Amino acid sequence: KAGVTQTPRYLIKTRGQQVTLSCSPISGHRSVSWYQQTPGQGLQFLFEYFSETQRNKGNFPGRFSGRQFSNSRSEMNVSTLELGDSALYLCASSLVGRGNEQFFGPGTRLTVL
Amino acid sequence: GDSVTQMEGPVTLSEEAFLTINCTYTATGYPSLFWYVQYPGEGLQLLLKATKADDKGSNKGFEATYRKETTSFHLEKGSVQVSDSAVYFCALTLSFGNEKLTFGTGTRLTIIP
Repeated sequence: KAGVTQTPRYLIKTRGQQVTLSCSPISGHRSVSWYQQTPGQGLQFLFEYFSETQRNKGNFPGRFSGRQFSNSRSEMNVSTLELGDSALYLCASSLVGRGNEQFFGPGTRLTVL
Repeated sequence: GDSVTQMEGPVTLSEEAFLTINCTYTATGYPSLFWYVQYPGEGLQLLLKATKADDKGSNKGFEATYRKETTSFHLEKGSVQVSDSAVYFCALTLSFGNEKLTFGTGTRLTIIP
């Protein structure tokens, strides 16, 4: 069974631009979550999608948005990039249920110059 | 709100030493608890989990017991190997229908031959 895939793996953008990151979950997984990982703030929850609906949202500004398609693939978008958005963005998918494991992709390393 | 407090690193041990990484949590309700591991350049992998009080999660020689009375989930291993060098994250999720993982700050472990 293929794991969670994220594209692209690396991205360099400049301030003010926007970026779209993609995540393909494990087949059969309907929940997709996004996390931002930085040295200063650690791992922070961005949002979670289930059946094309955003079910949970973390404390990030509105510049961060996402969506999920009918095949469970998900994208996240960051508009008007800031230097502080430089981070590793991790996607995770899971079957829904108490204590179910979330399977993480390798991440997209975003650098904002 | 819910939170996870994890032993600060970095931790450096000699091969075959005993490992403990402390983790305590604050949460409403009855969380599920997890230890994830991140190897250099990779995403997170689930190491072990426990979904109710007194459960013991174990995997690859690592163990952790869900202690409700002390709100703790300490990670232990009797004899570490160089290949255990990685960053370890303690995390929790709150309830069914809420896939959000709340992470601790991570502990970097280095094992010296």
